[in-house]
Amino acid sequence: DGGITQSPKYLFRKEGQNVTLSCEQNLNHDAMYWYRQDPGQGLRLIYYSQIVNDFQKGDIAEGYSVSREKKESFPLTVTSAQKNPTAFYLCASSPSGSRAEKLFFGSGTQLSVL
Amino acid sequence: AQKVTQAQTEISVVEKEDVTLDCVYETRDTTYYLFWYKQPPSGELVFLIRRNSFDEQNEISGRYSWNFQKSTSSFNFTITASQVVDSAVYFCALKSLSSNTGKLIFGQGTTLQVKP
Repeated sequence: DGGITQSPKYLFRKEGQNVTLSCEQNLNHDAMYWYRQDPGQGLRLIYYSQIVNDFQKGDIAEGYSVSREKKESFPLTVTSAQKNPTAFYLCASSPSGSRAEKLFFGSGTQLSVL
Repeated sequence: AQKVTQAQTEISVVEKEDVTLDCVYETRDTTYYLFWYKQPPSGELVFLIRRNSFDEQNEISGRYSWNFQKSTSSFNFTITASQVVDSAVYFCALKSLSSNTGKLIFGQGTTLQVKP
């Protein structure tokens, strides 16, 4: 079945440590996105990529980095510069990134600080 | 500025009751899309509906219905005869056509609890 796979489901970060969240899709979608969800808040866009080897900052990119070396993969690294990383992270994709398309979401990664 | 407001943080109903989730949006654009997503406890957001700003028709799909009113910038969602399986967080979202990306502006979400 086609879909978006995020791993791990739960992740713990120590102070000063970088951690990487995995996002893989087999939907053959060009566009991929990372959103952050905090309790009682909506989703906020961290980074997005509309094509391989290209990505743009979203609304809250500070303290995060991404890469898009393959169409199916869009990993997110939470760096030590992100002082409040505890949140639920959702990866999404869409066929071409055009304005009318709906997003398809993964099941998320819960990141917590030890 | 674009904004989506879901004023209801949490709603609790008893099974078989009807429930309406409110969504109010702000945008300067004349052309845009509105979405509703459902987030069950598993975490994944599930797409429910998409409407464009040109189409103010109300829509019904089974127990779900949506009331889009451009005059009041609202896109409300009603569940008729609610069921326990409807318990989830529901998000309203806006996508402006002035943006050439798939970026969505989300509301804060409404947590719906349906008790048996």
